[in-house]
Order: sequence, then structure tokens, then C-alpha cells
Amino acid sequence: GAGVSQSPRYKVAKRGQDVALRCDPISGHVSLFWYQQALGQGPEFLTYFQNEAQLDKSGLPSDRFFAERPEGSVSTLKIQRTQQEDSAVYLCASSQGTTGFDTGELFFGEGSRLTVL
Amino acid sequence: QQPVQSPQAVILREGEDAVINCSSSKALYSVHWYRQKHGEAPVFLMILLKGGEQKGHEKISASFNEKKQQSSLYLTASQLSYSGTYFCGVIIQGAQKLVFGQGTRLTINP
Repeated sequence: GAGVSQSPRYKVAKRGQDVALRCDPISGHVSLFWYQQALGQGPEFLTYFQNEAQLDKSGLPSDRFFAERPEGSVSTLKIQRTQQEDSAVYLCASSQGTTGFDTGELFFGEGSRLTVL
Repeated sequence: QQPVQSPQAVILREGEDAVINCSSSKALYSVHWYRQKHGEAPVFLMILLKGGEQKGHEKISASFNEKKQQSSLYLTASQLSYSGTYFCGVIIQGAQKLVFGQGTRLTINP
């Protein structure tokens, strides 16, 4: 497709379950970001990939959160032993260039809404 | 490191103007503005680069004061379609991540 695709769009998990959220960025985009957005808040940075390299994971809230992008395209965000505070919309974004001074437009997916009961 | 936006919310009538401010305590490479409508993905509006270059589209303008690490987004003659939450994002010098503010909710009434 032409845009960033995320799946599933909605996920309900029982506390303690593991979840996996998938992001399919725009073809050829080098940079990929994951953000967590709580209701009524701004997107909070989780992690950043440049191709397959995870260059920044400073925003991951705990070691229960893990992200990968093994072939430099599709990325998966995994959350182990989910807790109620993990409930949020998880946004994926991609951009054509590398980040820093040359960061251009980020293209966001519609997000995966995770509800932990 | 999160930039601070003000005001938190604005209510306007169609045709009125609005200014949204964004400030950072750190030296910045760039400031980015996005708009998000309820239940949708954030959509890019504009980038302002260190050195004064401005990029964007739509009939919305912005400024970037590098000395003060502040940016302002100007929406003139607002239209109903401008409603949504506006986020500024900043890239701090030496960093690689885009960090967003808490957002400014803009409501345009007919």
C-alpha cells in the first residue's frame, strides 16, 4: 500500500498476556519510529530504527517491551506480561531519510489500540 | 526533553486567527508541527530547520526563534477543517529522536 500499515488495529489482552504489534512502513523508508499515545496526550517516543539497526530504545518503559526490524522493513513491537498501564494507542511512523538534522516528514500509521483488562 | 506547548486548548469561530506556541529548554535542530484529528493518525504540517529554512504546505505558517528555542504556529482565517489537536515535535541537537509536546486542542465553531 501507499501508507504505513499497522495491525491489529484493536487488541484486547488480559493482564499477563503477551502481545505483538506489527508495522509495515512505506517501502524504501529508512527510518522507523514507535510511539505510545495515552488518551489525551502527545505521542511519547519509544524506539527508533535506521534500517535494521535499533539506534535508540531509550523510551521503552521497561524490559517487557521489545522491538525488532530484522530485515529493515517490517517492524514488530512486543509487549510481554501486559499490565493495565500498557493500555494506549501504539503509533508507528516512517520517514525517508535518517534522523538528526535531516529528519523530514514522518508518515504515521493509524495505530494499534491496546486495551489491557 | 519534552517541549512545552501553550495554550492547552483554544476555541475559535470560523475565520478567526490562532497562535500556538512551543518551547524547549534544549538547543534544537528542528521543530516539526503535526495535526491529529480524533481517532486518526497525526498528519505532517511543517518543518522549521535551524538556520531559518521553512518547509511545509497548506495555508498555515510558523516561525522558529533559535535563540529562545521557541516556535509558533499561526493559523489565520481558520476553517472548520483546522479543528484537531496540534503537536509540536522537536529534535534536540545531537539527538536522533523526534519528541512531541502534549498538544493543543483547537476547536473551530461555525
